[in-house]
Amino acid sequence: DAMVIQNPRYQVTQFGKPVTLSCSQTLNHNVMYWYQQKSSQAPKLLFHYYDKDFNNEADTPDNFQSRRPNTSFCFLDIRSPGLGDAAMYLCATSRSRVTQYFGPGTRLLVL
Amino acid sequence: DQQVKQNSPSLSVQEGRISILNCDYTNSMFDYFLWYKKYPAEGPTFLISISSIKDKNEDGRFTVFLNKSAKHLSLHIVPSQPGDSAVYFCAASDGSGTYKYIFGTGTRLKVLA
Repeated sequence: DAMVIQNPRYQVTQFGKPVTLSCSQTLNHNVMYWYQQKSSQAPKLLFHYYDKDFNNEADTPDNFQSRRPNTSFCFLDIRSPGLGDAAMYLCATSRSRVTQYFGPGTRLLVL
Repeated sequence: DQQVKQNSPSLSVQEGRISILNCDYTNSMFDYFLWYKKYPAEGPTFLISISSIKDKNEDGRFTVFLNKSAKHLSLHIVPSQPGDSAVYFCAASDGSGTYKYIFGTGTRLKVLA
């Protein structure tokens, strides 16, 4: 089945220790997104790729970076995680505006 | 400033009755809207969409209504089933071509058997 896969599902890291979350898709969609969602809040768009074009949201901290080495894979790098970065991180893909397909998310815990 | 608002954090409905989930937006440039359903420990799943050129879209038990003048949309689920218990998010996009969506904070629906 075509899908959006996120690994790992749960990630524990230490304060200040870099961490990378990964997302892969078999849908061959040209747009990939990273969202941060904290408890009882709306998913917040961090950035998205339209093909290879990277689009950063104005309020995304510099601590968050992303890489998209090819159509199928996209990575979220948190260079120095703080306690406030503990959240669910959602990856999504789309081919058009009609809809986005989400992965199951990675829950990040920062100790 | 929250451009997409879901003012009811939770809603309980009896099985078989209608569930109505509401969403308000402030940006008049929004022209495409999505509803998502999210179960615990899963990503959001697309439910139904509506374009601003329409005021209603129906898919089985799910109907979305759009009132552009009031900047309001609602999702109706009829009849409600226990399996519909989840968090529902509305999301809005403008026509700028960025393929970006702004999400509301979600409404937790509980359908009582």
